[in-house]
Amino acid sequence: GAGVSQSPSNKVTEKGKDVELRCDPISGHTALYWYRQRLGQGLEFLIYFQGNSAPDKSGLPSDRFSAERTGESVSTLTIQRTQQEDSAVYLCASSLVATGGYTFGSGTRLTVV
Amino acid sequence: DQQVKQNSPSLSVQEGRISILNCDYTNSMFDYFLWYKKYPAEGPTFLISISSIKDKNEDGRFTVFLNKSAKHLSLHIVPSQPGDSAVYFCAARDNTDKLIFGTGTRLQVFP
Repeated sequence: GAGVSQSPSNKVTEKGKDVELRCDPISGHTALYWYRQRLGQGLEFLIYFQGNSAPDKSGLPSDRFSAERTGESVSTLTIQRTQQEDSAVYLCASSLVATGGYTFGSGTRLTVV
Repeated sequence: DQQVKQNSPSLSVQEGRISILNCDYTNSMFDYFLWYKKYPAEGPTFLISISSIKDKNEDGRFTVFLNKSAKHLSLHIVPSQPGDSAVYFCAARDNTDKLIFGTGTRLQVFP
């Protein structure tokens, strides 16, 4: 596609439920990144994919968070047993190579109630 | 431990004047620095970048300055326009090729 697409754009979920967030990167972009931005804070790195493998998962805040990428394309970020502190905007970005020229999607605003 | 810091959460500037946004970093191994601009309900968009081997990069109204000895970079916007009102994020690339972002500075340009 022309840009990075994320779905859903908004998600409200009850505490304890699982959620899946989807990212469709720009076609041909080999690197894919997940960040999150909690209210009043900066962009927090979560995980990075090069192709379908994740060489850097250092930012995942707990084992409730996982992500996968298939076909060097779509990625899903899964949060199990959501907590209120998971409320944030989850941003996905892709780049042709890992040179820092990211293109971001519009994000998924997750609200855990 | 915040490796990239933007100490001013907000900045207000009159239209036509210069906006200066500042960023400090702690890791001397960062080799590439970028500025992103973010409007509400949108993802950040790339604005301008600079390699660690340079001290200045200019693109139209936007200039980024890098002072490696002080581990400081700044973004200058001149002349500022109301459409520049947004949150500006400074980012640095680490040795694993991921970007470390600052907390952002909200710029408001008023008429």
